[in-house]
Amino acid sequence: GQQLNQSPQSMFIQEGEDVSMNCTSSSIFNTWLWYKQDPGEGPVLLIALYKAGELTSNGRLTAQFGITRKDSFLNISASIPSDVGIYFCAGLPLGGSNYKLTFGKGTLLTVNP
Amino acid sequence: ETGVTQTPRHLVMGMTNKKSLKCEQHLGHNAMYWYKQSAKKPLELMFVYSLEERVENNSVPSRFSPECPNSSHLFLHLHTLQPEDSALYLCASSQGTGLSSEQFFGPGTRLTVL
Repeated sequence: GQQLNQSPQSMFIQEGEDVSMNCTSSSIFNTWLWYKQDPGEGPVLLIALYKAGELTSNGRLTAQFGITRKDSFLNISASIPSDVGIYFCAGLPLGGSNYKLTFGKGTLLTVNP
Repeated sequence: ETGVTQTPRHLVMGMTNKKSLKCEQHLGHNAMYWYKQSAKKPLELMFVYSLEERVENNSVPSRFSPECPNSSHLFLHLHTLQPEDSALYLCASSQGTGLSSEQFFGPGTRLTVL
């Protein structure tokens, strides 16, 4: 089945720094999603991307749907301590069911105040 | 207030026990999902219900048995589990199962099988 390669696995940064993480696949995806999971909680959707090349922002977060439809990145600018958590990419593979998300393994972000 | 609640939040059970996980959504959605989240592995979709009908069983062992009595409630019945079934079990719901139907997750049940 399709797999998403998410990197980096973890990041340790200073408050105020910018962060970038990405997901790649060998298969084409027609939707890319980015979620954040806080400790003891379920994932929460941050940004959804539906069109190749699409660049979408949500506050300090920016994500892009790669032009090849096989990758996506998430940037966080001017990080703050509450950005700590696990960030997951997820996608809907081309030709698959509209609800059957494929998830990456996550990027653990730690922000040092 | 979260729109998707799960109980219990933590569960420890032996391999011969029978237990059930409960999920309730207060969002008026008509699709509900069970996911398994294991350490260092991607979230795995287990079951999907749409309008109380099971539309997906993602090759899940029969020791996991889902039940969806109505569009607001979803159960996962557990029996004769194995230690490798220990994981965080997440419930989610969505308005439908279409392309842009956002899935809202509950906080999960942390299951430990001894």
